[in-house]
Amino acid sequence: AQSVTQLGSHVSVSEGALVLLRCNYSSSVPPYLFWYVQYPNQGLQLLLKYTSAATLVKGINGFEAEFKKSETSFHLTKPSAHMSDAAEYFCAVSDQGSSGDKLTFGTGTRLAVRP
Amino acid sequence: DAGVTQSPTHLIKTRGQQVTLRCSPISGHKSVSWYQQVLGQGPQFIFQYYEKEERGRGNFPDRFSARQFPNYSSELNVNALLLGDSALYLCASSPNRATYGYTFGSGTRLTVV
Repeated sequence: AQSVTQLGSHVSVSEGALVLLRCNYSSSVPPYLFWYVQYPNQGLQLLLKYTSAATLVKGINGFEAEFKKSETSFHLTKPSAHMSDAAEYFCAVSDQGSSGDKLTFGTGTRLAVRP
Repeated sequence: DAGVTQSPTHLIKTRGQQVTLRCSPISGHKSVSWYQQVLGQGPQFIFQYYEKEERGRGNFPDRFSARQFPNYSSELNVNALLLGDSALYLCASSPNRATYGYTFGSGTRLTVV
């Protein structure tokens, strides 16, 4: 089964600083990978997804992620943090098998942005 | 366009009771999936329904059941509620079975007391 590991449950950056949220995956097949954002008391919003096309994926709100097969990584970055970026971020991998087509999520990284 | 709508948004139940959560997918979406998100954790897959048939089930007890109706809306039922069932229940719809087409709803916050 596919899985993802998010390194760092909490990340704090200053406004305007680089945001780097780490995600490593484990997959026996070429994976589909996703980053979702969750604001307090809300559902999940898709930031970006990798579906085996370009390895550098651009998403909404200035975020991007690079798929690196050799490192089994799919880290999320944003050049300059904004206060509105404070939220919980989840990395996920698509897992297709006998138990259905589902997403397997990491444990999440809470991003805090300091003024 | 209306997104994925879930109802109710919040509810409180007592241990041992039963609860029904509802989800209306985006128009034209034929697949509905349910996820449970316990506080401080990532969402966990419960069920996938496609074309009104169960296509997948996660590692949840038989107290959890679901169904999909001809209009593709869905209900999640949980019987004999336990304190540990307290969570945010998320519904996601997709045009087909593929997860890359998922759109999530805002969820139903269930508190079991």
